[in-house]
Amino acid sequence: EDQVTQSPEALRLQEGESSSLNCSYTVSGLRGLFWYRQDPGKGPEFLFTLYSAGEEKEKERLKATLTKKESFLHITAPKPEDSATYLCAVPEYGGSQGNLIFGKGTKLSVKP
Amino acid sequence: ETGVTQSPTHLIKTRGQQVTLRCSSQSGHNTVSWYQQALGQGPQFIFQYYREEENGRGNFPPRFSGLQFPNYSSELNVNALELDDSALYLCASSQKEGHEKLFFGSGTQLSVL
Repeated sequence: EDQVTQSPEALRLQEGESSSLNCSYTVSGLRGLFWYRQDPGKGPEFLFTLYSAGEEKEKERLKATLTKKESFLHITAPKPEDSATYLCAVPEYGGSQGNLIFGKGTKLSVKP
Repeated sequence: ETGVTQSPTHLIKTRGQQVTLRCSSQSGHNTVSWYQQALGQGPQFIFQYYREEENGRGNFPPRFSGLQFPNYSSELNVNALELDDSALYLCASSQKEGHEKLFFGSGTQLSVL
């Protein structure tokens, strides 16, 4: 069964304190790994798609990397506005068209 | 460019009732997906519509049904509501079927009492 596990569940950082979020996945065949950001009371907002091991993508203070078993979202010198829940997802392999399997997310809080 | 809009934003129903949630997709997008997000959980796939046909479905019972209209807007209908149906219902549009980058609306918060 395809599965996505994110850790930690919650992370509290001081402004400027860099850290990483982890997304471990188990799929029969990887057809992309997606990172989304979700603010309270809103829908997820797309951040990155990674397709192959070794691939990296960056956006402002965020950098996503991918290995054969997991992905990391590195946050460099975070600011309070980076506070949100970060979700990762993979397409279900061989399953229903359009099914993205999401992890439970990591809730990030950045204090000034 | 207009984003994905959902209505209503909040809804309270009682067990056994029926509900219809609505979604207008982003301009230029022809595919709509619906997800259910329980508190503290990630979104869970309900189904996807492409060219007015359901082309993918998750592990949800038949009392969850949908429609897509020629203008690519969509409805999610849930019959015989149960307490466990209380959740945030998210609509997402994309430029084509499958697993393209999804653009989510802000969701409809459904409470079943």
